[in-house]
Amino acid sequence: EAEVAQSPRYKITEKSQAVAFWCDPISGHATLYWYRQILGQGPELLVQFQDESVVDDSQLPKDRFSAERLKGVDSTLKIQPAELGDSAMYLCASTKDQGFTGELFFGEGSRLTVL
Amino acid sequence: AQKITQTQPGMFVQEKEAVTLDCTYDTSDQSYGLFWYKQPSSGEMIFLIYQGSYDEQNATEGRYSLNFQKARKSANLVISASQLGDSAMYFCAMREDGYSSASKIIFGSGTRLSIRP
Repeated sequence: EAEVAQSPRYKITEKSQAVAFWCDPISGHATLYWYRQILGQGPELLVQFQDESVVDDSQLPKDRFSAERLKGVDSTLKIQPAELGDSAMYLCASTKDQGFTGELFFGEGSRLTVL
Repeated sequence: AQKITQTQPGMFVQEKEAVTLDCTYDTSDQSYGLFWYKQPSSGEMIFLIYQGSYDEQNATEGRYSLNFQKARKSANLVISASQLGDSAMYFCAMREDGYSSASKIIFGSGTRLSIRP
């Protein structure tokens, strides 16, 4: 069964370092989402792509976060510099198209710990 | 403004009993969708059920059903005959189909369900 791939699963970094997360959605899925989930809370949308275009990044802290999906397939989320408050699970999800009526497919997530 | 509200941070239920997890939402869109996801302690997000705003009947998937009350803007999840494996965090989510922007999906704060043997 096709899955959303994410790496790394776990990342420990020191404050002020750079960190990057990678996501490969299910083949053919045009819409890709990055969510941040702080422990004990619900996922918070950071950025949404439709193919290679950003369609919503209103909650992305653009002074330190960046996201790209250059060829409309896989995507990278970068944090530079990392801060203590960035410790969270970063979830990637995809769907076939914007007009879907079904589910988001999630990856296993990348858990970030900033020391 | 909070668009998805889950008012039960935690619930304890006896095994084999039915349980209702509450969710209310706020939107001015006519077209939208509502989801429930389960997140066990392992962290993966598992899709449970979906209800479209124009669907006339409540969605059901096995032991899960969604009690959709459009006028009240509520979308409660009902789990029948609960099992120990149902212990997890449960998230309600909404997709708003904005006409001038892409659909985005937002999540509530979750309810932690614990099933007692």
